[in-house]
Amino acid sequence: DTGVSQDPRHKITKRGQNVTFRCDPISEHNRLYWYRQTLGQGPEFLTYFQNEAQLEKSRLLSDRFSAERPKGSFSTLEIQRTEQGDSAMYLCASSLGIEGNTIYFGEGSWLTVV
Amino acid sequence: KNEVEQSPQNLTAQEGEFITINCSYSVGISALHWLQQHPGGGIVSLFMLSSGKKKHGRLIATINIQEKHSSLHITASHPRDSAVYICAVGDSNFGNEKLTFGTGTRLTIIP
Repeated sequence: DTGVSQDPRHKITKRGQNVTFRCDPISEHNRLYWYRQTLGQGPEFLTYFQNEAQLEKSRLLSDRFSAERPKGSFSTLEIQRTEQGDSAMYLCASSLGIEGNTIYFGEGSWLTVV
Repeated sequence: KNEVEQSPQNLTAQEGEFITINCSYSVGISALHWLQQHPGGGIVSLFMLSSGKKKHGRLIATINIQEKHSSLHITASHPRDSAVYICAVGDSNFGNEKLTFGTGTRLTIIP
């Protein structure tokens, strides 16, 4: 298995544009998490899925953010009308969802809003 | 006040030195994670522990639940250990679903 993969790895966009990031988790993992990390800070929780169900959303996820996992496999995170404050790395992670199971992280998608 | 605090924020040491990174947390937890992040972003899970001590190669992680404190030790440090080490805790109500992360400790090992 190739691990958790994210695409694109880097995205530069103009303020006001929409962007979408994709995450492909490890194939048998039923839990998928999105985090955001700004420079010099630790990651912050955004949302997570159990299969296709989005079970928890952070208040950091404004209404411009939407995440989906339509078939319980890959997930997308869309940011509409991007703002400069959205510039960050968006990290995806997955796990088997069994208590005590390791969480595996992707390489992250860097977003720069200019 | 951050729920997860790490110290030191930056650490530079000579190759071969014994390294200790500390993590203190203020909430009830289900488990504590030690993660390694290299330049470019990728994060690797090193340990997940809820009690006692774990060892993997030159890395040792300990946790004291009563004192809400964990340490990550690296023996015989090597330049390839240079990275940011992040402590994260799983909330006792939500488990691993909502990890709270520290800001990380940037470790640099000089040859």
